[in-house]
Amino acid sequence: QSVLTQPPSASGTPGQRVTVSCSGSSSNIASNFVYWYQQLPGTAPKLLIYKSNQRPSGVPDRFSGSKSGTSASLAISGLRSDDEADYYCAAWDDNLSSPVFGGGTKLTVL
Amino acid sequence: EVQLVESGGGLVLPGRSLRLSCAASGFTFHDYALHWVRQAPGKGLEWVSTITWNSGGIAYADSVKGRFTISRDNAKNSLYLQMNSLRAEDTAFYFCAKDAYSWNSGAFYAWGPGTLVTVSS
Repeated sequence: QSVLTQPPSASGTPGQRVTVSCSGSSSNIASNFVYWYQQLPGTAPKLLIYKSNQRPSGVPDRFSGSKSGTSASLAISGLRSDDEADYYCAAWDDNLSSPVFGGGTKLTVL
Repeated sequence: EVQLVESGGGLVLPGRSLRLSCAASGFTFHDYALHWVRQAPGKGLEWVSTITWNSGGIAYADSVKGRFTISRDNAKNSLYLQMNSLRAEDTAFYFCAKDAYSWNSGAFYAWGPGTLVTVSS
């Protein structure tokens, strides 16, 4: 059971906009930054969004992050077939004094 | 370019030990905290351990506390994970990851490709 809750799957068609949600609590998302990681099939995770809404250099602006209260979202616009991957949210948890992950969302591009 | 390369994985019997290494390049190694994160086959990500830039701050997940030891050698640009009393549930890909800070921010800004540890008789 993950501390952060994500839907196990999401899907969209090419060009569409999709969002992935991440639900937490006052001890993690509400009081700390949220991070999003993309894991393409058979590869290591890669940082996609840091500090809730910042993109590392090289990440297209089709990817955006937001946070409100105890929830966060990752939005992907102009969906492409190579966006098909697992997406994980993460945040520091003040009660556990450790980083915690969501269970991951498998994005399928139809 | 930041590069992290793990090694030392393999098949090991339950109760035995294994030592993972992570060789780093492309950044000033001693300036950053480093982490180990694992992923059981087909499952999600799990934070395992973190060590700060000077080894002054070390943390472990409850699932490995008392069995795993993280360490680093700043002269060799290397990170280590000594894993003792291994269990079947420790079977996973183990990733080395770099923080953006010298302290533990709990964020993983760069990742290695991972090394697979399989604990089985």
